[in-house]
Parts: sequence; structure tokens; C-alpha cells
Amino acid sequence: ETGVTQSPTHLIKTRGQQVTLRCSSQSGHNTVSWYQQALGQGPQFIFQYYREEENGRGNFPPRFSGLQFPNYSSELNVNALELDDSALYLCASSQGGAGPLGNEQFFGPGTRLTVL
Amino acid sequence: AQTVTQSQPEMSVQEAETVTLSCTYDTSENNYYLFWYKQPPSRQMILVIRQEAYKQQNATENRFSVNFQKAAKSFSLKISDSQLGDTAMYFCAFCTSGTYKYIFGTGTRLKVLA
Repeated sequence: ETGVTQSPTHLIKTRGQQVTLRCSSQSGHNTVSWYQQALGQGPQFIFQYYREEENGRGNFPPRFSGLQFPNYSSELNVNALELDDSALYLCASSQGGAGPLGNEQFFGPGTRLTVL
Repeated sequence: AQTVTQSQPEMSVQEAETVTLSCTYDTSENNYYLFWYKQPPSRQMILVIRQEAYKQQNATENRFSVNFQKAAKSFSLKISDSQLGDTAMYFCAFCTSGTYKYIFGTGTRLKVLA
């Protein structure tokens, strides 16, 4: 069974640019959530995708957008990057529905984004 | 709105001793889950232990156990026989049943001393 993977590991961008981060879900999982973790803070929920549809969104502006593909992999896109977007971006996958794992999510290793 | 509070930014414990990390939360929901996650310097979040709110019995996983006080909205983590590999950030998280939106606390940095 393959765990959650994310790419790239690290990324450096400049203010105003756009970035795409990628996530491959754990096998058998149809739900993907994205989190932003600023340095020294807990992760903050950005949004969630279930079967290719957005299924919940946190308090993030529209320049944060996402996609989920038929194979349940996912992308996080951020437009017009700002300095405060510098953070670790975590992807988490789950089985979806009220499964036996009780809302458990499995996290990837994250992508460290630095905005200069 | 749900909130999760971890009031101990940093803690240290001697190897082989016991340490308790605190977490309180606020919610009006009745059905939810609580989690403790460990994030080592390698940064991958690892689930330590999970508690279903409808279960009165406290969850245990080997050296890790929780003290779940639903009325007080408290969910502390006890680590027994601490090991050097337990050194990490520990996050308490809340999730309403039927969703996968986790609300995390700000974390407690635990250092296990040799």
C-alpha cells in the first residue's frame, strides 16, 4: 500500500507568481484535504475534495484553488503569491464516508513553499 | 466555531519518565473525533492516538493513552516510558463526525532528554 506523496519537496517563488503543488492519495482513498502550516503553528484547513468536487473550504481567499482528478490525486494552486503564503503545505487523504477508520486522515510529508 | 487550545508551547521530560500534554477544545457538536498527531523534524504527521467522543473509555496505544473528559472538553495525552524518538511537535486535533476538516491546536514541542 502506497502512502500519501507530495511534490515538490521544496519550492521558492517570488511575490506575484503562481504555484502548483501536487498530491497523490493513499491507495483506496477518495477524499483529499489541503492544509497550510505556517512556521511554529498548527495546520490550517484550506479545502477538501471528495470525488473531484470541492467539499468544504476554510478561511482562505479564492486565489487558493484546487483540483482532484479521477485517480483521486490532487493539485493545490495559489495565484498572486504573497509573502505570507510562505508555509508548509500538507495534503491528507482519507477513505471518505463514515468508514471504520473514523475520520482518520493520512498526511503526506508536505511541500515547503518560500515566497520571496 | 470549534477551537482547539494547547497551552503548553514546550515541554521536556527525562527518558523513561512520564509526561502529559494538555489539550482543550470548544464545540457545540455531540459527535466528533479527537486526535493526537506527532510531527517529528522530518515533518510527516503521524497519528498517535484517536478518541471517538461517544466512547467513554479512554483510548490507549501502547505507551500512549488519553484522558478524555467530555464535559470539561479536555483531551490530554500521556506518554509513559518516554523515549528519545518521542521528541517531536505534538498536535491535538478535532473533527466533527462525517467531515474530514481537522481543526488543530498550535502544538506542543516535546523534548525527551537522555
